[in-house]
Amino acid sequence: NAGVTQTPKFQVLKTGQSMTLQCAQDMNHNSMYWYRQDPGMGLRLIYYSASEGTTDKGEVPNGYNVSRLNKREFSLRLESAAPSQTSVYFCASISSRVSGWRGETQYFGPGTRLLVL
Amino acid sequence: KQEVTQIPAALSVPEGENLVLNCSFTDSAIYNLQWFRQDPGKGLTSLLLIQSSQREQTSGRLNASLDKSSGRSTLYIAASQPGDSATYLCAVFGNQFYFGTGTSLTVIP
Repeated sequence: NAGVTQTPKFQVLKTGQSMTLQCAQDMNHNSMYWYRQDPGMGLRLIYYSASEGTTDKGEVPNGYNVSRLNKREFSLRLESAAPSQTSVYFCASISSRVSGWRGETQYFGPGTRLLVL
Repeated sequence: KQEVTQIPAALSVPEGENLVLNCSFTDSAIYNLQWFRQDPGKGLTSLLLIQSSQREQTSGRLNASLDKSSGRSTLYIAASQPGDSATYLCAVFGNQFYFGTGTSLTVIP
């Protein structure tokens, strides 16, 4: 099993450009998450999807949109990239729907490093 | 809003030493706490998960404790090895996941 995969691994954008970060998991998990990691800030939740067809905002959703394409895939879109969105983006998944989650491990992808000039 | 703090931000120890990493959180209404390891340029790997009703969990040379009432958790690493060098993050789950900023550990051979 590949677990959680993310593409691309690294991307450079100019301010105002758009792009979509892709995430896929092959563990038949229900819930998927997008985080960003910035120096000194820890990981912060951007959006999550408790199940196919549902998405909810996390702590820092502004400037992002998400799509839960199917049970496997959860994409993150930057419509008009800004330098403040320079970060490392992680996708994660867990088996349960988040409302019922009490103690399952989150599985993380390797991350996408995004630089916005 | 939940705030999760990890002290120290960086730690350097000689090989073989026992060490303790600290995690504190402001809201004790959590379901569980997890400790993760992150290697440079990589994602996070779960090390230990403690349910809110538990006091500690052990896995090999790692022992994590939880004092929910005081908002504290510790990760104890016994007989440290150079391969333990990584960043260690704690995360709590209440209504969503909140992560600390991590402790960067270097074990010197």
